[in-house]
Amino acid sequence: KNQVEQSPQSLIILEGKNCTLQCNYTVSPFSNLRWYKQDTGRGPVSLTIMTFSENTKSNGRYTATLDADTKQSSLHITASQLSDSASYICVVSDTGGFKTIFGAGTRLFVKA
Amino acid sequence: EAGVVQSPRYKIIEKKQPVAFWCNPISGHNTLYWYRQNLGQGPELLIRYENEEAVDDSQLPKDRFSAERLKGVDSTLKIQPAELGDSAVYLCASSTNGLAGGIEQFFGPGTRLTVL
Repeated sequence: KNQVEQSPQSLIILEGKNCTLQCNYTVSPFSNLRWYKQDTGRGPVSLTIMTFSENTKSNGRYTATLDADTKQSSLHITASQLSDSASYICVVSDTGGFKTIFGAGTRLFVKA
Repeated sequence: EAGVVQSPRYKIIEKKQPVAFWCNPISGHNTLYWYRQNLGQGPELLIRYENEEAVDDSQLPKDRFSAERLKGVDSTLKIQPAELGDSAVYLCASSTNGLAGGIEQFFGPGTRLTVL
């Protein structure tokens, strides 16, 4: 069964600190993995997208990594800001383009 | 350029009443998606359109849910009759490509439905 599991479910960090969010998937055959940021009351916004051959991709203070062998991805946030408080959703698609599976998300709270 | 537009943003109805949501995708985007997102969960696909054709509606509860995209542009999602368990955020997204997962999806702000 195609699944995307994220951890932790929620996370509280102090402003200025770094954090790493995890995503494990069983979607096969794999095509690409995306990380989305969803602010409260808003739709998700894409942060990064990685295909099978890509190991890392950055978008400002956000850096995503992908290990296609172990089927794991991480999203690292550097020097967190209050505006980083949001849900971060991992999304995995198969090569046929027929299945796109969303994870449940990690809820991040950045405190001053 | 305007993003994906959805209306209304919020809707409160009593159970057994009908409700409809409207979505206008980004201009030029042929693919349109409707998702349902329950609290604390990721979005779940309800239906995907390629132009005016529904190419994936396998997760749409067809006994009470219906959708249309008559001219291949804007779309309407309807629930009739609504049940308490339908309370959720209904998200619309659009993309430029026919593949469900190959191209970035752009999401609207969603419609938060509360069924009393």
